[in-house]
Amino acid sequence: EDKVVQSPLSLVVHEGDTVTLNCSYEVTNFRSLLWYKQEKKAPTFLFMLTSSGIEKKSGRLSSILDKKELFSILNITATQTGDSAIYLCAPTGNQFYFGTGTSLTVIP
Amino acid sequence: DGGITQSPKYLFRKEGQNVTLSCEQNLNHDAMYWYRQDPGQGLRLIYYSQIVNDFQKGDIAEGYSVSREKKESFPLTVTSAQKNPTAFYLCASSIRDRRQLGSYNSPLHFGNGTRLTVT
Repeated sequence: EDKVVQSPLSLVVHEGDTVTLNCSYEVTNFRSLLWYKQEKKAPTFLFMLTSSGIEKKSGRLSSILDKKELFSILNITATQTGDSAIYLCAPTGNQFYFGTGTSLTVIP
Repeated sequence: DGGITQSPKYLFRKEGQNVTLSCEQNLNHDAMYWYRQDPGQGLRLIYYSQIVNDFQKGDIAEGYSVSREKKESFPLTVTSAQKNPTAFYLCASSIRDRRQLGSYNSPLHFGNGTRLTVT
């Protein structure tokens, strides 16, 4: 059975902290893994990972994929209140599969 | 600017009534999708369409119907048969990988969602 597990489910940190969000998956015909940030409405695309061990970076956010151990992590350094959101992990295979998300709250 | 437009943003209906949610995209994407989002459950796939005049059921299609008469448009009807219709509905689109049918290797682009409340 295809499944995606994100942890932790929720996280509260102070501005300036570094956080690591986890995503483990088991999907049929795995192709890639995508990370999204969802504030109030539409999820916005962050990263697409297709190869193991290659870190993708965008400002304070970075992500890496391990296709052997079937997981990915999303790191956010020097967190800001604007990082408060739900972060969704979506491995793709025969379709897009979504985890339940990690709800991040950054306190000033 | 290219994007996906969902309307309305909020929708209220009485139980027993069918309701149609609109989704229009001008990204020239072949594939379009409807997801439902409930608290604590992530996004669940209702229906998807990879090409005009063709669509497939997702994981929770019961009580829903769709049509794909035009590339730009993928409306979703929530019928009275849907037992728990109150939810946040998200429409998305993506490029279809023509090299391998059913391959999903490009990001989904989402609309801003429709929040449906049925009382």
